[in-house]
This record gives sequence, structure tokens and C-alpha cells, in this order.
Amino acid sequence: GQQLNQSPQSMFIQEGEDVSMNCTSSSIFNTWLWYKQDPGEGPVLLIALYKAGELTSNGRLTAQFGITRKDSFLNISASIPSDVGIYFCAAGGGGYQKVTFGTGTKLQVIP
Amino acid sequence: NAGVTQTPKFQVLKTGQSMTLQCAQDMNHNSMYWYRQDPGMGLRLIYYSASEGTTDKGEVPNGYNVSRLNKREFSLRLESAAPSQTSVYFCAIHSGSTGELFFGEGSRLTVL
Repeated sequence: GQQLNQSPQSMFIQEGEDVSMNCTSSSIFNTWLWYKQDPGEGPVLLIALYKAGELTSNGRLTAQFGITRKDSFLNISASIPSDVGIYFCAAGGGGYQKVTFGTGTKLQVIP
Repeated sequence: NAGVTQTPKFQVLKTGQSMTLQCAQDMNHNSMYWYRQDPGMGLRLIYYSASEGTTDKGEVPNGYNVSRLNKREFSLRLESAAPSQTSVYFCAIHSGSTGELFFGEGSRLTVL
């Protein structure tokens, strides 16, 4: 089946540093989504991308839909302690087509 | 997580027992999903329902059954629970117009 390879698996960073994580696949997708999951909660959508090459920001977060439609990255600038959590990429064919998730990046921020 | 309600939030079962996880949505979307989440495994799709009256298998359907009772409700049933089914289960609804998924808060199941 379709697989998303997400990296890195985990990160320890100092407060104030920038963070970058990415997702790659051998399949082409029409939609890329980035989620954050806090402990004991369900994933919450951060950014949705719909067009190859699209670059979208949400506050300190920026995500890009790769031009090959097989990858995406998420950047977090000037990290703060509340950025701690697990970040998931997800991708789908668009519309009602199934959405596949990456294995997640666990982010820890050292104050 | 507003709009997607899962019950129960916690459950402990003995091997062989059965139970049903309930999911209800008030966002009027057609498509609903059940995922399980295990450490280091991300979210794996168990079953999904593209619309009322239809269900399809996902990546890991064995040991589960589902029922799309109406547009609002999608239930996941374990007929004979096994320790390998210890996990956190998430229901999600899928917006066909945007492709986005909206998740419930999760149901934490332990099978002893």
C-alpha cells in the first residue's frame, strides 16, 4: 500500500531554534496535511496543502507541497516549549480518497 | 476535536471479551474513519466508510467489524479481544471538499 516516510523520528532542540521535518513517498498525492498531537489528545490539523509547489504559513509554521507531489516539509521557526508534541504528515488523493499517515516526528523543546 | 465524539474514552477488557467503540459526528460529513495508534507506528487505518451504508477495509482490518448506522454514527466492534488490540483508537471524519480529517479525542483500550 501507500507509505509515507517521515523524518526525523524524534528531535531534541533548544528553545528558540528552528525545526524542519519532512515526508517522502514513492506515490503521487493531491493533498498534503500536517497535524500535531499533544499527549492524550487526537491529532489537530496545522496546515493543509493542495497544489504542487504551494508554500503555506500558519504563524511560526511553514509547510510546502513538493513539486513532484511526492513530498512535503514542515518548518517551525523560533520554537517554544508548547511546540512539544508529535507531528504527523498525511497525504491523500483529494476529495474522499483515503488519507495515509506518516509515522510521526516527536519534538521535544529544551527551555 | 469539536464535532467528533468517541465513547468510551477508556476501557479494559479481558482476552476474548467483546466490545463496541462508538463514534458520532455533528459536522454532516459523509466519510468516517477508524484508526489505531501504537507507539512508533503512526496512525493505521482499520476501516472507513465513504458514505452511509458503505464500509471498506483499511490497512489492518483483521479482528474488527464496523457498522455505519446512519450518517452521524460509525461504530467499531471487537468480537473477541486480543492483547494485540491494546491501542488507542481514533475516529475521524473526512471533509470531501477539502480532503481534511478531523479527529475525536481517542479511546484507550487495554486487553489483558
